[in-house]
Amino acid sequence: AQKVTQAQTEISVVEKEDVTLDCVYETRDTTYYLFWYKQPPSGELVFLIRRNSFDEQNEISGRYSWNFQKSTSSFNFTITASQVVDSAVYFCALTWRTDSWGKLQFGAGTQVVVTP
Amino acid sequence: GAVVSQHPSWVICKSGTSVKIECRSLDFQATTMFWYRQFPKQSLMLMATSNEGSKATYEQGVEKDKFLINHASLTLSTLTVTSAHPEDSSFYICSATGPTTYNEQFFGPGTRLTVL
Repeated sequence: AQKVTQAQTEISVVEKEDVTLDCVYETRDTTYYLFWYKQPPSGELVFLIRRNSFDEQNEISGRYSWNFQKSTSSFNFTITASQVVDSAVYFCALTWRTDSWGKLQFGAGTQVVVTP
Repeated sequence: GAVVSQHPSWVICKSGTSVKIECRSLDFQATTMFWYRQFPKQSLMLMATSNEGSKATYEQGVEKDKFLINHASLTLSTLTVTSAHPEDSSFYICSATGPTTYNEQFFGPGTRLTVL
């Protein structure tokens, strides 16, 4: 069974603090993709990153960074020097090759609240 | 990036009526479209997968007679909520992918349905 766990329901930080969002996944497939999406109050999903199962390199994009560790089945996301505009719900998601390629299994989401 | 639109962005209807939501890929051919539902403060749950010209594949627990999906062209999929009831009130989001999107799917902005 495919599963994505985001154990943190809500994280509150003060502006300029760093915040790390945890994501743990389960899949029997050896070929899969992991994603992070941001959902601001408007509701529209904003794509942040896609990582395939064969690429364990960490990635940095501006204030965002991702740590992919297959050994622990984790794909964690860190926002450095948080800003009020980072306030949103963040979803980790998984898609796998077997079955219908492209179906996304979402985690429960983590609400990030950044206060000035 | 590829653009997906949804119409309407919000709709309010009376219990017992049917509501149609459109999902359009504006600048690419969408051979596959996905429909998700999101209840307040919850994650996105896949409802169905539709491939152009084929019948949709519904996830377990989703009533196919209640949520009619049509994907008759490479740029348009529709979701019709038949005989809507208050418990169908939700945020409906579509996503689309195709041969030119390199396994990536693009999300529409969502449709907020309120059934009175």
